[in-house]
Amino acid sequence: DVKVTQSSRYLVKRTGEKVFLECVQDMDHENMFWYRQDPGLGLRLIYFSYDVKMKEKGDIPEGYSVSREKKERFSLILESASTNQTSMYLCASSRPGLTNTGELFFGEGSRLTVL
Amino acid sequence: AQRVTQPEKLLSVFKGAPVELKCNYSYSGSPELFWYVQYSRQRLQLLLRHISRESIKGFTADLNKGETSFHLKKPFAQEEDSAMYYCALRDAGGTSYGKLTFGQGTILTVHP
Repeated sequence: DVKVTQSSRYLVKRTGEKVFLECVQDMDHENMFWYRQDPGLGLRLIYFSYDVKMKEKGDIPEGYSVSREKKERFSLILESASTNQTSMYLCASSRPGLTNTGELFFGEGSRLTVL
Repeated sequence: AQRVTQPEKLLSVFKGAPVELKCNYSYSGSPELFWYVQYSRQRLQLLLRHISRESIKGFTADLNKGETSFHLKKPFAQEEDSAMYYCALRDAGGTSYGKLTFGQGTILTVHP
């Protein structure tokens, strides 16, 4: 059973702080994703990675960066948190290439509040 | 650019009534469509994909390319169907690394 684990379920940070959100998957998936989930806006893709040290911008990358130093770990970084980054952040992973059926495996989410 | 639209933020039905969650998409290529579901205090998970043409938990969805729609239907709703539902799309061409574009989501509430 695929397990995607997000290290922090709830975080409260102050404006201007640097924030790290960590995500680990245990199924050797090449693809990993960070989405943010907001009421009325659905899920929006921030960044994704299809291999170690590779990253691609999603639809809303501004204010975020990512790191993929190991295959199983994908980190989302907010260099200087702002109140409009208060949201639920979802990490996901998926199988690579031809084995990719379109199914994303999601973590439980990290709810970030920026004061 | 690809876009997925779910026009209803909230949908309420009574147990045993039919339910239809609407999804429309905009995409110039060859799309694959999915429905994901998030039950209370659970992870977001895949419900069904159009390419499988399967029925999961009594739900079905047919891809209508002419109307660019992928509505989710169930003839008799159950209370346990109450959840948030997302429609999603990906490029079937295989160059998108599996990333999905999601709609805004519809909260379905089934009343007893």
